[in-house]
Amino acid sequence: EAQVTQNPRYLITVTGKKLTVTCSQNMNHEYMSWYRQDPGLGLRQIYYSMNVEVTDKGDVPEGYKVSRKEKRNFPLILESPSPNQTSLYFCASSFIWGLANYGYTFGSGTRLTVV
Amino acid sequence: GQQVMQIPQYQHVQEGEDFTTYCNSSTTLSNIQWYKQRPGGHPVFLIQLVKSGEVKKQKRLTFQFGEAKKNSSLHITATQTTDVGTYFCAGPLRNQGGKLIFGQGTELSVKP
Repeated sequence: EAQVTQNPRYLITVTGKKLTVTCSQNMNHEYMSWYRQDPGLGLRQIYYSMNVEVTDKGDVPEGYKVSRKEKRNFPLILESPSPNQTSLYFCASSFIWGLANYGYTFGSGTRLTVV
Repeated sequence: GQQVMQIPQYQHVQEGEDFTTYCNSSTTLSNIQWYKQRPGGHPVFLIQLVKSGEVKKQKRLTFQFGEAKKNSSLHITATQTTDVGTYFCAGPLRNQGGKLIFGQGTELSVKP
């Protein structure tokens, strides 16, 4: 089944404790992206990647890191989480043709709470 | 900067009533996409419209792309409780392949 797999689904952590949220897709998509979703603020892009070893900042990159060493994986790293990073996180992927994408496939989400 | 605005933010309907959400972009879009997010779920891709004036149907859902390719609408005929969720439109950011700008979404609730 074609899918984007995120882990973990739920995570409660303490301020300053490094964590990684994993994301893997099995559709050979070039494009991968991380979003956070907060009430009243919609979906905001954190980082994205056009292909292996190519990553770029989205709209709210502060406090986050990513890497794209393999086409299928795009982990999100919080080096020193803070309470304002408490949010619902989604990983998404899509095919790219030229400058167009053909619909994102989203993962099931990771609900992160930083206390 | 480029923006995609969506109205209304919330819509409460009685089951069987129709529902429409509207999406407006500050710039011309090469395409518009629509997603649905069920409560507690993740956004799911519904459809992509590419051509000026394009109309597509999926059962009770009708999607339109404006002639100027700056606006779009999603209309649901005779809503059912299974239609509950938040509907997002999204358009590509100019010259940044792959990146989508999402509207704020319209949250639909359906009273049985």
